[in-house]
Amino acid sequence: QLQLQESGPGLVKPSETLSLTCTVSGGSISSSSYYWGWIRQPPGKGLEWIGSIYYSGSTYYNPSLKSRVTISVDTSKNQFSLKLSSVTAADTAVYYCARLQTGYSYATAKYYYYGMDVWGQGTTVTVSS
Amino acid sequence: EIVMTQSPATLSVSPGERATLSCRASQSVSSNLAWYQQKPGQAPRLLIYGASTRATGIPARFSGSGSGTEFTLTISSLQSEDFAVYYCQQYNNWPPALTFGGGTKVEIK
Repeated sequence: QLQLQESGPGLVKPSETLSLTCTVSGGSISSSSYYWGWIRQPPGKGLEWIGSIYYSGSTYYNPSLKSRVTISVDTSKNQFSLKLSSVTAADTAVYYCARLQTGYSYATAKYYYYGMDVWGQGTTVTVSS
Repeated sequence: EIVMTQSPATLSVSPGERATLSCRASQSVSSNLAWYQQKPGQAPRLLIYGASTRATGIPARFSGSGSGTEFTLTISSLQSEDFAVYYCQQYNNWPPALTFGGGTKVEIK
């Protein structure tokens, strides 16, 4: 059974860089059928997709966060990571990692997407001095 | 950027009744829409993708419909475990973009 677990500091100072890691267990991060993503949820608010990565290192980011976000993958450790720079109080949120059922179909010459089907439990990050 | 708008913000329903949730896209997303359920303190759970295809293990009382800009999630007979917040997500221009709606809270009437 695939499981995802977020880890990282729960408190980050303003203007610093938030760093989180998602460890994948019970399966390989190197599957061709999935991307891996980060989603966040500010207190009492809705979900915001941050970005996603393929095991090869190909990334896609939310345009609103693109200038501050870096997502990377370490296939040897079955992990992927999030870095968000120059954080402010507005970045305080629960951060989730998730598996995206998606990939490129050469038969149809386009991407398919079947949703985010496995999620981590989430980790709370507070930005405060 | 495609904006997803969900209505109502809160829906009060009695157990056993039907719940109908709406999601509207600012431009056509074809059938490229998913629905998620989130209970307090938990991660979201995938319910529906492709506007109407139930994810693995999702009960048949959950159904999705619609295409283009108007979508509906229907819960045919609300169970106690269904009281939660529901989010729609469009993926019409994936990659590179994924967008969630603001959510609808289904509460006990």
